[in-house]
Amino acid sequence: QKEVEQNSGPLSVPEGAIASLNCTYSDRGSQSFFWYRQYSGKSPELIMFIYSNGDKEDGRFTAQLNKASQYVSLLIRDSQPSDSATYLCAVGDSGTYKYIFGTGTRLKVLA
Amino acid sequence: SAVISQKPSRDICQRGTSLTIQCQVDSQVTMMFWYRQQPGQSLTLIATANQGSEATYESGFVIDKFPISRPNLTFSTLTVSNMSPEDSSIYLCSAPSRGTQYFGPGTRLTVL
Repeated sequence: QKEVEQNSGPLSVPEGAIASLNCTYSDRGSQSFFWYRQYSGKSPELIMFIYSNGDKEDGRFTAQLNKASQYVSLLIRDSQPSDSATYLCAVGDSGTYKYIFGTGTRLKVLA
Repeated sequence: SAVISQKPSRDICQRGTSLTIQCQVDSQVTMMFWYRQQPGQSLTLIATANQGSEATYESGFVIDKFPISRPNLTFSTLTVSNMSPEDSSIYLCSAPSRGTQYFGPGTRLTVL
């Protein structure tokens, strides 16, 4: 059974620090990887996606993918209290758009 | 990105009844997806709704319990049938756009 694993947290970081969120996946054939942010009571919103090994940067967010280690991470620089949310890692099949979601990591940014 | 709306946003239902959730996308999409998010849990895919054919259900979900309609390329419904308290969840529809999935605002269902 395909699995996506995340530490549930909470991960607490001070305002202005770097938050590092990690995710591992079991299906070595996975092609696409996504990070969603979910505020309490809201639906998930896409933060970043990454398809190739290495780093991908978008503003304060950097996604890192290592397919050999089956590992994907999300770095949030200059963390703000508004970043406090649950971050969901999703692994997808680009052909079918079917995603498997991790259980999410709750991030708390302390002012 | 796709703009997705859902109705109702929330409902409280009695055991044994059924609820139909509507999902509308602002553009034509081939596939739409229905997810369930139980309290404190992550998202679990219920089924893929394909226009012009039967929905494809994931393991553990059956058509009799979660019938799905997909009358056109912008609309789908999910019915939660013969509800029990264990069906209390947030139900989300999603649709792909530019290689990624976007989610509707969700329907929060409470079954008493």
